[in-house]
Amino acid sequence: ILNVEQSPQSLHVQEGDSTNFTCSFPSSNFYALHWYRWETAKSPEALFVMTLNGDEKKKGRISATLNTKEGYSYLYIKGSQPEDSATYLCAFDSGGGADGLTFGKGTHLIIQP
Amino acid sequence: DADVTQTPRNRITKTGKRIMLECSQTKGHDRMYWYRQDPGLGLRLIYYSFDVKDINKGEISDGYSVSRQAQAKFSLSLESAIPNQTALYFCATSPRTGELFFGEGSRLTVL
Repeated sequence: ILNVEQSPQSLHVQEGDSTNFTCSFPSSNFYALHWYRWETAKSPEALFVMTLNGDEKKKGRISATLNTKEGYSYLYIKGSQPEDSATYLCAFDSGGGADGLTFGKGTHLIIQP
Repeated sequence: DADVTQTPRNRITKTGKRIMLECSQTKGHDRMYWYRQDPGLGLRLIYYSFDVKDINKGEISDGYSVSRQAQAKFSLSLESAIPNQTALYFCATSPRTGELFFGEGSRLTVL
């Protein structure tokens, strides 16, 4: 069983502030690292799929970086808005999806107005 | 209409009953998955399929079975439900090496 850790488990951030959280994963047998956003009562939706060491992806105010050699990825949210409140999941892919993805437990983000 | 549809969305059943959760997709993806979500735990893989004739066990397959009836349909069965199978179940699809597309989830309660 692969170990994918996310920290912190939960996070309260004031509206307008920027924040970031971490996903750590095995540094061997890396194929891809996924980030998903999961809003309450909805389905998880993909934010990023990252495959290259040093990769940086951006979607609006959300961005992510990847370090495959040391086994971590950061997700950044700039200027948090209430609609950013969600659980953010990372998932490790060791074989091109051949064995499915291993998910972390998520970071639950609450943006306070 | 959702691209990945799960039925039922909510189900309450009793210990020992047989339950089937169904998943259908219109995305044309070959790969389909069943995941389970429990409070405080990550999504855990139950079974997955890369083709109609392909079935693979995931991390927590005991007590479950699946059927890939067609490219678009992937069903999860609990032959004899037990209370610790109470959870939120997600079906997902993906293209060969891409992101997962999730259904709306099926909340199952076993009394």
